[in-house]
Amino acid sequence: QQQVKQSPQSLIVQKGGISIINCAYENTAFDYFPWYQQFPGKGPALLIAIRPDVSEKKEGRFTISFNKSAKQFSLHIMDSQPGDSATYFCAAANSGYSTLTFGKGTMLLVSP
Amino acid sequence: DAGVIQSPRHEVTEMGQEVTLRCKPISGHNSLFWYRQTMMRGLELLIYFNNNVPIDDSGMPEDRFSAKMPNASFSTLKIQPSEPRDSAVYFCASSFVRGRGNYGYTFGSGTRLTVV
Repeated sequence: QQQVKQSPQSLIVQKGGISIINCAYENTAFDYFPWYQQFPGKGPALLIAIRPDVSEKKEGRFTISFNKSAKQFSLHIMDSQPGDSATYFCAAANSGYSTLTFGKGTMLLVSP
Repeated sequence: DAGVIQSPRHEVTEMGQEVTLRCKPISGHNSLFWYRQTMMRGLELLIYFNNNVPIDDSGMPEDRFSAKMPNASFSTLKIQPSEPRDSAVYFCASSFVRGRGNYGYTFGSGTRLTVV
């Protein structure tokens, strides 16, 4: 059973545009929602994370929006740059348990 | 800190052979995770250690897979015998977990395993 559904599978955005990646979860016990960024040949790296006591968290050009009632969260990349081209994974965890469940990933290509 | 160190980076082996993947977590981290990444299934948790003790190995696909963490600075994932369907990128990650906090994983660069 896939507990975190991520969409789209791939995304092409023009430089300067907004990239939006969406995730939905099923387990209401999840209370920690990170996003990871992975470049080819590298392991995923933590980008930004949110807990459900807030509806939005912003770090630079990256924003997580969180909708607890809908059990959905999304990553917005403002002013997308070619260097943002990577695979992005959403994840979720019950922080009392510590293991992350990952979405299947979104390949983002930002065209120059 | 050099981060999470995995070896080898690439491994090509013949079906039926034993494969051992190695991981050195970040010093001071108390949790270690082994994940497998494939195009079809994404990132799958294989096993989770806390303070060197296996806590959850429900993701280990078969008895052919085994993992050990003899001390806080070293872990191995062994596949014996290997099969072509084991071909994937295997990641090790470590984290510091305290109470109800999940403080984020640090992943290694992975081992790309090809079984022919």
